[in-house]
Amino acid sequence: AQSVTQLDSQVPVFEEAPVELRCNYSSSVSVYLFWYVQYPNQGLQLLLKYLSGSTLVESINGFEAEFNKSQTSFHLRKPSVHISDTAEYFCAVSSSGTYKYIFGTGTRLKVLA
Amino acid sequence: DVKVTQSSRYLVKRTGEKVFLECVQDMDHENMFWYRQDPGLGLRLIYFSYDVKMKEKGDIPEGYSVSREKKERFSLILESASTNQTSMYLCASSHGLSGYTFGSGTRLTVV
Repeated sequence: AQSVTQLDSQVPVFEEAPVELRCNYSSSVSVYLFWYVQYPNQGLQLLLKYLSGSTLVESINGFEAEFNKSQTSFHLRKPSVHISDTAEYFCAVSSSGTYKYIFGTGTRLKVLA
Repeated sequence: DVKVTQSSRYLVKRTGEKVFLECVQDMDHENMFWYRQDPGLGLRLIYFSYDVKMKEKGDIPEGYSVSREKKERFSLILESASTNQTSMYLCASSHGLSGYTFGSGTRLTVV
């Protein structure tokens, strides 16, 4: 069965510092991987996705994630965070052949001034 | 942009009431989903639908049912609301591998 693990429930970081939010998955088949962001009192928004091809994927607001098949990971990184990045981030996995996602429990990123 | 609209942002219902949560999407997506979000548990899939009049159980379907009579509308029904169904409910739609588009959520409180 598929599962997604986000080990860090909360990550505090100072503004302009780098950040990494960790995501590990388990699946016996090919997977598609996603990161979603949820700002306070809002629904989730797609941040970036890996379907195939280059293992490094980027978002328009400076985040990137790298698919590592051997380590079954899809960690999210940003070299320099802003206060506006404060939000909850969810990793999700979908197996090839299904459109159903399994979500992690989320990581709350708090950017400090 | 795809828009997914959930009819209520906040809802307060009494134990035992029948509750309808409505979700409408405007981009002809074939796939629609209902999740509930609880602190520390992330998002858990309740039901999903790949086509009109088609539904499949997710991971936690007990106490819920769904209806999809039209492609754009996917309704979640709590037959007899209970306090343990107090939660944030999120509707999403998708087309192929495009990724989900979520609604803003309905925060349901059952008293």
